[in-house]
Amino acid sequence: AQKVTQAQTEISVVEKEDVTLDCVYETRDTTYYLFWYKQPPSGELVFLIRRNSFDEQNEISGRYSWNFQKSTSSFNFTITASQVVDSAVYFCALSGNNAGNMLTFGGGTRLMVKP
Amino acid sequence: NAGVTQTPKFQVLKTGQSMTLQCAQDMNHEYMSWYRQDPGMGLRLIHYSVGAGITDQGEVPNGYNVSRSTTEDFPLRLLSAAPSQTSVYFCASSYDRTQPQHFGDGTRLSIL
Repeated sequence: AQKVTQAQTEISVVEKEDVTLDCVYETRDTTYYLFWYKQPPSGELVFLIRRNSFDEQNEISGRYSWNFQKSTSSFNFTITASQVVDSAVYFCALSGNNAGNMLTFGGGTRLMVKP
Repeated sequence: NAGVTQTPKFQVLKTGQSMTLQCAQDMNHEYMSWYRQDPGMGLRLIHYSVGAGITDQGEVPNGYNVSRSTTEDFPLRLLSAAPSQTSVYFCASSYDRTQPQHFGDGTRLSIL
């Protein structure tokens, strides 16, 4: 069985602060994929990033960066200089070899960025 | 390009009623799936399909049926609605297991 844990249920920051959202996963598969999705207040799910288990390079996209560490089974997401528009629920998800490779989601982290 | 289209967006049912949530995608994706989202629990997989004519159960399949007669459509049927099925339902599709899933806008379902 696979599992994704997002221990932070809610985070509140002031605009321009940096914030890191934690994601820890469990899987017995050697090949797997990790994802982050954003769910703004409007409710849709927006894909942010995919990372496969063989690529441990960190990635940066504008103010967003991701730190993948297989040794600690973590795939953390950092927003630099947060903005009010970053307020959303963020989900980490895992796709392994079970259940048709469908996604196992963490419980989500609600990020509130205050002006 | 419509992507993944879910209908209806909102629905209220009485306990015991049945209904079908519709999902259609126009990207020729083989993989399709249904998730339900409940507060604090993220999204949980109900049923999925890896191609027309092939379906299988996910984590929380009880009370739901699916079929996949075409590549485009993947309807979710509630057989006899129960209050515990009050949730937001998302349909998703992807080209294969390596690619990100594209989600519909969701159906908010309330069962009284």
